[in-house]
Amino acid sequence: QLQLQESGPGLVKPSETLSLTCTVSGDSISSDTYYWGWIRQPPGKGLEWIGSIYYSGSTYYNPSLKSRVSISVDTSKNQFSLNLSSVTAADTAVYFCARPVRSDILYGMGVWGQGTAVTVSS
Amino acid sequence: QSVLTQPPSVSAAPGQKVTISCSGSTSNIGNNYVSWYQQLPGTAPKLLIYDNNKRPSGIPDRFSGSKSGTSATLGITGLQTGDEADYYCGTWDSSLSAVFGGGTKVTVL
Repeated sequence: QLQLQESGPGLVKPSETLSLTCTVSGDSISSDTYYWGWIRQPPGKGLEWIGSIYYSGSTYYNPSLKSRVSISVDTSKNQFSLNLSSVTAADTAVYFCARPVRSDILYGMGVWGQGTAVTVSS
Repeated sequence: QSVLTQPPSVSAAPGQKVTISCSGSTSNIGNNYVSWYQQLPGTAPKLLIYDNNKRPSGIPDRFSGSKSGTSATLGITGLQTGDEADYYCGTWDSSLSAVFGGGTKVTVL
């Protein structure tokens, strides 16, 4: 059964880079032709798609975050990672990693990690 | 301001039916499939509907989805107290971005 697990620091200082990793178990990132995505949810607010990566490394990013976002994949560790630079308090959120229900789309997330809370504060 | 528009809240008594609307444009809903998610407090979203009207394995048929033009609708019949949650619609947008609605809180009276 496919499972996703986010990990990373729960506290990041303003202007620094937020770095999170999603570890995939129950399936191999490189054996299935899926996109793997990051979504976030600020406290008390709705969902925001951050971006997605294909196992080969091709990426799609939310235009509103594109200048600060980088998503990478490490097939040897069965992980994909998120880097968000120059963070501010507005980046405080629960960050989820997820995989779509179909391999030919980047949305329609069928499997989600439990989420990890990140606070941006000095 | 979300790209997709949902009502902030809907409510109904146990056993009744509720519908949640999701309004978009030809840039998103009009030309792409719609998904619906249920998010219980403190948990990750759960996919209820994909491809406008398909249910993943394990999702009861009390949940249904439809799409017409640039709008989509989630229906929940036989409302239960366990259905109290936030519900989100989502799709792809021509800006090359996945987009979500602002969410609708369902209250069981």
